[in-house]
Amino acid sequence: ETGVTQSPTHLIKTRGQQVTLRCSSQSGHNTVSWYQQALGQGPQFIFQYYREEENGRGNFPPRFSGLQFPNYSSELNVNALELDDSALYLCASSLASLAGGPGSEQFFGPGTRLTVL
Amino acid sequence: QQQVKQSPQSLIVQKGGISIINCAYENTAFDYFPWYQQFPGKGPALLIAIRPDVSEKKEGRFTISFNKSAKQFSLHIMDSQPGDSATYFCAASKKSGYSTLTFGKGTMLLVSP
Repeated sequence: ETGVTQSPTHLIKTRGQQVTLRCSSQSGHNTVSWYQQALGQGPQFIFQYYREEENGRGNFPPRFSGLQFPNYSSELNVNALELDDSALYLCASSLASLAGGPGSEQFFGPGTRLTVL
Repeated sequence: QQQVKQSPQSLIVQKGGISIINCAYENTAFDYFPWYQQFPGKGPALLIAIRPDVSEKKEGRFTISFNKSAKQFSLHIMDSQPGDSATYFCAASKKSGYSTLTFGKGTMLLVSP
């Protein structure tokens, strides 16, 4: 069983550019959530994907967008990068039941450290 | 509005001592309360979790105490070791069509040798 993997590990971009981050979910998991973790803070929920559709979004602007693929891997895209977008971006995978129900365990990848200059 | 409040912000404990981290939540719809451990440069790792139908859960040296009426829960690390030095996050999730975690701001724990 493989865990959650993310790429790249580190990334440096300049303000106004666009970035794509990638995540492979843990084997058997069908749901991917993305979080932003600023330095010294707890992770903040960006959005979640289930069955290739956005299944919920936190308080992030539309320039943050994502995709989930049939193999449950996912991408996070950020357009028009701003300095405040500098953070560790975390992907977490989980197994959601069709009926919903209590929060399921989420397993995090190592993250992508994004620096915007 | 911060839905999960965590304290203290930092904690220094001697080796062999007990580390205690506290969290309080506001949303009574929360029904899943995990604790995550994060080392520098790594993603958070699930440590232990509890649901509100029990008041305590123990796994090895780690124990969660849960007080539903007070809307509080805490992590106790018994016999703390230098290898436990990390940042700890409490989180909460609610029953809904999807589950997402609301995190506290974290506690930086240092266990001195």
